[in-house]
Amino acid sequence: DAGITQSPRHKVTETGTPVTLRCHQTENHRYMYWYRQDPGHGLRLIHYSYGVKDTDKGEVSDGYSVSRSKTEDFLLTLESATSSQTSVYFCAVLSNSGNTIYFGEGSWLTVV
Amino acid sequence: QQQVKQSPQSLIVQKGGISIINCAYENTAFDYFPWYQQFPGKGPALLIAIRPDVSEKKEGRFTISFNKSAKQFSLHIMDSQPGDSATYFCAAGSNFGNEKLTFGTGTRLTIIP
Repeated sequence: DAGITQSPRHKVTETGTPVTLRCHQTENHRYMYWYRQDPGHGLRLIHYSYGVKDTDKGEVSDGYSVSRSKTEDFLLTLESATSSQTSVYFCAVLSNSGNTIYFGEGSWLTVV
Repeated sequence: QQQVKQSPQSLIVQKGGISIINCAYENTAFDYFPWYQQFPGKGPALLIAIRPDVSEKKEGRFTISFNKSAKQFSLHIMDSQPGDSATYFCAAGSNFGNEKLTFGTGTRLTIIP
């Protein structure tokens, strides 16, 4: 599982509230990613990080921000949650050998 | 813009049969093509991957066939078993080492007895 832990695993929140999802890894992976999974869309990259304080946008970054102040933690923030952000969010890491992307178990977010 | 197109959306195969899932890509810079398997409530897990220097890669019952000129690749599951029932995603990436994968939309595979 590449030492990935996502929290919370399930959350229900109201429209307009801020939400932060946390990804914690224990194996010193340099690259970390946030994807969202929606029916009919597969997995889409939101943001990724290639080191502490080094982040970049993916294909669906609008409405999301990220931060990485420590190697082990990559935070995804929805500043003002909307119903369109109801989704399953997966954190992922690139193996240190550079061969494989490993995914966490997912965080189910419902915005009502 | 969908850079990786996957079909079919869902597939039902009898136990012991061959499951075939197809993907097509547009970006000729892609040079890494993995398949991921996902069970309900779990994250996707790498199943098998191929690079364009070979046309086929086999691991157990799972085979990737790759056609560079057609920009297509497919996953074949031989002797399909009920335990293979899952969602399968193809993906494509380039400049391996800072990999950003582009995923297909997924295929829900159901193996029936």
